[in-house]
Amino acid sequence: GQQVMQIPQYQHVQEGEDFTTYCNSSTTLSNIQWYKQRPGGHPVFLIQLVKSGEVKKQKRLTFQFGEAKKNSSLHITATQTTDVGTYFCAVFNNDMRFGAGTRLTVKP
Amino acid sequence: NAGVTQTPKFRILKIGQSMTLQCTQDMNHNYMYWYRQDPGMGLKLIYYSVGAGITDKGEVPNGYNVSRSTTEDFPLRLELAAPSQTSVYFCASSSIGLITDTQYFGPGTRLTVL
Repeated sequence: GQQVMQIPQYQHVQEGEDFTTYCNSSTTLSNIQWYKQRPGGHPVFLIQLVKSGEVKKQKRLTFQFGEAKKNSSLHITATQTTDVGTYFCAVFNNDMRFGAGTRLTVKP
Repeated sequence: NAGVTQTPKFRILKIGQSMTLQCTQDMNHNYMYWYRQDPGMGLKLIYYSVGAGITDKGEVPNGYNVSRSTTEDFPLRLELAAPSQTSVYFCASSSIGLITDTQYFGPGTRLTVL
């Protein structure tokens, strides 16, 4: 099955700073999904990207799918304490594979 | 709608014991999934089902069994529990399928095998 590398593993920011997490694949992806998991909680679907070069925004969150459909990023502008959690990417190739996640902590 | 519910929330097993993790969804979704999440890691797919009576293996099926007799229920069976099965187990469902659809997750079952 498809493997995805997600970086960084951890990110600690001051409230108001920006944050970005990346997912990279060695092969072309059909689509990619992003999830957020709050500490002690369950994953919650954020968005799905399908098209090459696609960019989608949700308030302060910007999601991008690379032109070659081999990488994706999630960018948060001006982080808030409510953004704390782990962000996962997930891809499908015969079955579902999740990245290891980026754990975001925000200092008030 | 309650969404996806899981029982129990917590469980401690001794090595060699067996148990069933329950999962129910009330959204009339055809697709259901079981994942495990080890500490600090992403989710790994154990088994999934595309409808009542149909199940298939995911990435890490060894040591587990599933059944899907109804649309609503998708229990996960652990036989001969081992310490390596200590994890948080999440059940999820979707209406269309993995490739194009949102998965809705249950709250999880935290299992410890001692």
